[in-house]
Amino acid sequence: EAGVTQSPTHLIKTRGQQATLRCSPISGHTSVYWYQQALGLGLQFLLWYDEGEERNRGNFPPRFSGRQFPNYSSELNVNALELEDSALYLCASSPAGWDRGRTEAFFGQGTRLTVV
Amino acid sequence: AQSVTQLDSQVPVFEEAPVELRCNYSSSVSVYLFWYVQYPNQGLQLLLKYLSGSTLVKGINGFEAEFNKSQTSFHLRKPSVHISDTAEYFCAVVKTGNQFYFGTGTSLTVIP
Repeated sequence: EAGVTQSPTHLIKTRGQQATLRCSPISGHTSVYWYQQALGLGLQFLLWYDEGEERNRGNFPPRFSGRQFPNYSSELNVNALELEDSALYLCASSPAGWDRGRTEAFFGQGTRLTVV
Repeated sequence: AQSVTQLDSQVPVFEEAPVELRCNYSSSVSVYLFWYVQYPNQGLQLLLKYLSGSTLVKGINGFEAEFNKSQTSFHLRKPSVHISDTAEYFCAVVKTGNQFYFGTGTSLTVIP
């Protein structure tokens, strides 16, 4: 079974540009989470999508946005990039609902975004 | 409100010594609890999880954690650490609706 895949693995952008990051969840998973991991700041929750809808977002400005497609894959868009947006962006997926035996978040390897 | 608190940002420990990484959660959340490990330049990998049943949970690589409802804690322990255990460790909870919340992480450094 394929795991969570993220693309690209590395991305270099200049300040002011836009970045698009992509995530494919494990087959059958309907929830996708995005996290930002900047140096020394741990995992900061960005966005949660489930069944194609945004369920919650973290404390980030509106220039961080995303969407989830009908096949449950997701993309994260960051507009007007700033230097402090440089970080590892992690995507995770999980099955829907309270099926306890399957409640778990599976992570991708991340996209390393560098803003210069 | 903060759902998960990891009390130690950095924990240095000598090889073959025991270690405990602390995690406390807010009592308003549902009690599905997890520990994840992140090795350098990698994504997160599940160590263990508590969903129900026995409060002592055993995971991979010799780690275990104990769910303590009265103290709202889920501390991670290992009786004897190895150099390869050097990594970042994250505690997480699942809130109603299947959303995961993570702590800020604890950096474990095993000293030879």
